[in-house]
Order: sequence, then structure tokens, then C-alpha cells
Amino acid sequence: GENVEQHPSTLSVQEGDSAVIKCTYSDSASNYFPWYKQELGKGPQLIIDIRSNVGEKKDQRIAVTLNKTAKHFSLHITETQPEDSAVYFCAASRGTYKYIFGTGTRLKVLA
Amino acid sequence: NAGVTQTPKFQVLKTGQSMTLQCAQDMNHEYMSWYRQDPGMGLRLIHYSVGAGITDQGEVPNGYNVSRSTTEDFPLRLLSAAPSQTSVYFCASSLENEQYFGPGTRLTVT
Repeated sequence: GENVEQHPSTLSVQEGDSAVIKCTYSDSASNYFPWYKQELGKGPQLIIDIRSNVGEKKDQRIAVTLNKTAKHFSLHITETQPEDSAVYFCAASRGTYKYIFGTGTRLKVLA
Repeated sequence: NAGVTQTPKFQVLKTGQSMTLQCAQDMNHEYMSWYRQDPGMGLRLIHYSVGAGITDQGEVPNGYNVSRSTTEDFPLRLLSAAPSQTSVYFCASSLENEQYFGPGTRLTVT
């Protein structure tokens, strides 16, 4: 069946450095790719998303890139801060339904 | 606007017991879904609904039932709990693509 692979599973960076998390999806019909941040004891929260007709999207310190040919998409966080420490999930879907999530990346920003 | 609410926050069941996890949203969203989250496995879709009266299965539906009698509510039923159902359960609702997740229910089956 469809799946989404996410790497790395854990990532430690120094405060102020950049962090990159990568995902690969298998369903070539996927057209929507959201990224979620999950803090301890809370539900995931959408932080940025990208659709298949766009190659890159930025929102302040966060950016997402999509390579449809290779079926890769990545999350880039610049100038990391301690409050960026959390678990990040990528997902892929065809339209509104049936999201397939990656297995998560635990990001630790060291002060 | 409370968003997506889930009750209870924590629950311990014995094998074979039944229970219902409650989920409600006040955003008038048509689409609602249930996920389970297990260590190292991300979130896996259990069941989803595209509107009142319409439900469908996700990746891991076995052992769970759902119904959607109103737009606001989407309860998840465990008919006969098993230790393999020990997990954190999240309900989500969305209007188009953006999903809003509830705070989760941590369920332990002994």
C-alpha cells in the first residue's frame, strides 16, 4: 500500500543552526503535503503545507520544498530556537481524505 | 470556539471491556477522522467520515466502530478491548485540507 518514509528519526542541532527533515512518498497521485509539529502531551498542529502544483513555500523561518519527479518533500527550519524542539510529522494525501503520515522526527535544539 | 475536544484524557480498560472515545468539534467541519499513534509508527488512520451519516475505513479499522449522526460528533467504539489497542488516540476535523487535531486520549488495555 501507500507509505511515507521520513528521515531522520531524531535530529539534534545547535540553536541558530538549520534543520532539515526529509520525506519520500510512494503514491504518485498524492497532491497535498502537510507538515505537523507535535509538542509533548498535545495533538499535532499544522505548521506549513504544499500542494503538488508548487515547488517551494516559505513562512518566516520555515520552508517546504517538493520534488514531484523524485517523490520527495522536505521541511527546512532556519535559525532554530529552543521552542522549535518537538516531534515533526510529514504526511501525503490525495485531496482531503486518507492522509498517510511519516513516522516522525524528534528535533532537539540545544541552547 | 473550543475547536476539537476529546474525552476522556486517560482511560485504563481490562481486556474484553468495551468503551467509547468521544470527539466533538464546533467548527462545522464536514470531514472528521480518528487516528492512533504508537511509538515509532506515526499516526495511522482508523476510520473517517466525510459528513453526517457517511463513514469509511482507514488503514487500521479492525476492532473499532464509528458512527456519525451529527456534523459535530464522531465517537469511536471499542467493542472488546485488546492489549494491542493500547495507544494514544487522536480525533481530527477539517474543512478542506487543514486538519485540526484534538488533545488525544491515552488508552491502556491490561
